[in-house]
Amino acid sequence: KQEVTQIPAALSVPEGENLVLNCSFTDSAIYNLQWFRQDPGKGLTSLLLIQSSQREQTSGRLNASLDKSSGRSTLYIAASQPGDSATYLCAVKDSGTYKYIFGTGTRLKVLA
Amino acid sequence: EPEVTQTPSHQVTQMGQEVILRCVPISNHLYFYWYRQILGQKVEFLVSFYNNEISEKSEIFDDQFSVERPDGSNFTLKIRSTKLEDSAMYFCASTLGTGIYEQYFGPGTRLTVT
Repeated sequence: KQEVTQIPAALSVPEGENLVLNCSFTDSAIYNLQWFRQDPGKGLTSLLLIQSSQREQTSGRLNASLDKSSGRSTLYIAASQPGDSATYLCAVKDSGTYKYIFGTGTRLKVLA
Repeated sequence: EPEVTQTPSHQVTQMGQEVILRCVPISNHLYFYWYRQILGQKVEFLVSFYNNEISEKSEIFDDQFSVERPDGSNFTLKIRSTKLEDSAMYFCASTLGTGIYEQYFGPGTRLTVT
């Protein structure tokens, strides 16, 4: 059964720092992995989607990598800003299924 | 930019009552999903729906739950007899296709069962 873990659970950094959020999954037979942002009391905003055949994806200050064999993905945020404060969720889609399995998230606070 | 919308944003109901949560997926999307998030917990998959039938469901999605696409734009989740433990944020999502396509989520409906 696929399980997704995110470390750290919470992170507080000063503005301008580069930071890395980690996501690990137990079954490497995934179809893709998607990173989301969730603001308090709000829905999920898609940040990046990485297909299983890809190693990384970039969007602006965000870069996500995927190492399927080791069951890991990282989300790199460059030059963090207070507006980046949110909970970041990773979710994996196993091969042969329709559903995403979510991690517990990393709650990020960027201090001005 | 197209987005998934959900109504109502907050629903309060009494235990044992039926509730219907409504979603309007992105118009050209073909696959539809419901997820829920109990306060402080993970987002959990409930059901996926394609071509007017359920394509996959979780163990949470028991006989108390049902989904329907009553017309060309709406996608609904019905809970027949709500329980206290059904209190959660319910998210609708849609994708253009399966596999390589991103899932787009709505803002959620907060369901409170008293």
